[in-house]
Amino acid sequence: EVQLVESGGGLVQPGGSLRLSCVASGFTFSSYAMSWVRQAPGKGLEWVSVISGSGGSTYYADSVKGQFTISRDNSKNTLYLQMDSLRAEDTAVYYCAKTTGGDGYKDYFDYWGQGTLVTVSS
Amino acid sequence: DIQMTQSPSTLSASVGDRVTITCRASQSISSWLAWYQQKPGKAPKLLIYKASSLESGVPSRFSGSGSGTEFTLTISSLQPDDFATYYCQYYNNYSWTFGQGTKVEIK
Repeated sequence: EVQLVESGGGLVQPGGSLRLSCVASGFTFSSYAMSWVRQAPGKGLEWVSVISGSGGSTYYADSVKGQFTISRDNSKNTLYLQMDSLRAEDTAVYYCAKTTGGDGYKDYFDYWGQGTLVTVSS
Repeated sequence: DIQMTQSPSTLSASVGDRVTITCRASQSISSWLAWYQQKPGKAPKLLIYKASSLESGVPSRFSGSGSGTEFTLTISSLQPDDFATYYCQYYNNYSWTFGQGTKVEIK
């Protein structure tokens, strides 16, 4: 059974940093691209970033480019999202999602974690 | 960038109704479209991929159709478990764009 468990969310002041983690199980982690998707309170879904199975390729939404860094540790079956210079508009539930392929090129999301809430506020 | 627009934003329906949700792309996306269901406080769940392929385990009352710029998600007979918000998603070329969502409410 595929499981994705996020952690690391919480309350952070504007300008602060936070690192989210997503531990995966139930599939060969290194074979699949992984992604982060966020959802602001009461709003829709917004894709944030994707990383290939090998970790060699990364892509970001324009809204977070230069601010967030996605990475993975395939030896630990863990996906990360380093979030810097956080702003109020980054407040959201952050979901990790498994894609259906190794590089994400034509892949959709077949499994999602339960999400972790990030609140940026003073 | 490709924009995805869903209609309606909210839909009121009764158990047993046939429900159709439309998703339009700002330019042709071939069949690179998925549909997700999300219930309050829960993660999205994949229903349909490649516009019309039913994900394993999803009830057959859900179906998807369309190609190019216009797509539909149809629920043939609405069940109590189907009251939720539905999102379409374009996926291709390292780009993922969601529609704004359609909330299906109890009439």
